[in-house]
Amino acid sequence: AQTIHQWPVAEIKAVGSPLSLGCTIKGKSSPNLYWYWQATGGTLQQLFYSITVGQVESVVQLNLSASRPKDDQFILSTEKLLLSHSGFYLCAWRGGSAETLYFGSGTRLTVL
Amino acid sequence: QQQVRQSPQSLTVWEGETAILNCSYEDSTFNYFPWYQQFPGEGPALLISIRSVSDKKEDGRFTIFFNKREKKLSLHITDSQPGDSATYFCAASGRTQVVGQLTFGRGTRLQVYA
Repeated sequence: AQTIHQWPVAEIKAVGSPLSLGCTIKGKSSPNLYWYWQATGGTLQQLFYSITVGQVESVVQLNLSASRPKDDQFILSTEKLLLSHSGFYLCAWRGGSAETLYFGSGTRLTVL
Repeated sequence: QQQVRQSPQSLTVWEGETAILNCSYEDSTFNYFPWYQQFPGEGPALLISIRSVSDKKEDGRFTIFFNKREKKLSLHITDSQPGDSATYFCAASGRTQVVGQLTFGRGTRLQVYA
């Protein structure tokens, strides 16, 4: 069975500080990977997607970057956090041509 | 421009009643419509989905009714239980979407009272 693990569970960071969030998928070879952002009580906005190692596409510009250093790993980062970065970050995966998107348990980010 | 709209924003029903959650969309190329259920502090989980070639999809107490002509769909939850209290997101994707991209609505927060 496939499992998706996100870390950390929660972060409280200062404006201007760096950030790195991670996601690992086990049990699925070469998944499509996605980062979504959700404001408190809000909808889900796709940020990045990756079809293969080393290749990441940006969907919206939010002063964030993403990387896929390994087949099963997806990293979201920024060098300088903004207040507007606060929210719930969700990693998701999809298998090949399948349409179902599976989400991780998310990381709650609070920027002060 | 919001491509997927949901109503109501919040809904309260009593245990045993049928909850009806509505969704509409604008992009006529959308052909896949999943509904996700999200509990507080958790990631969304796929509940049920439908493709545009069908007008109804049933899974236990959950049923999607789909009207392609009017670009509307609804999720019916029969015999609602307190454990169904969650936020429900309607989403859509189609041929012109970025690979694997789902466009989500703003969600309907459902509260089921015992």
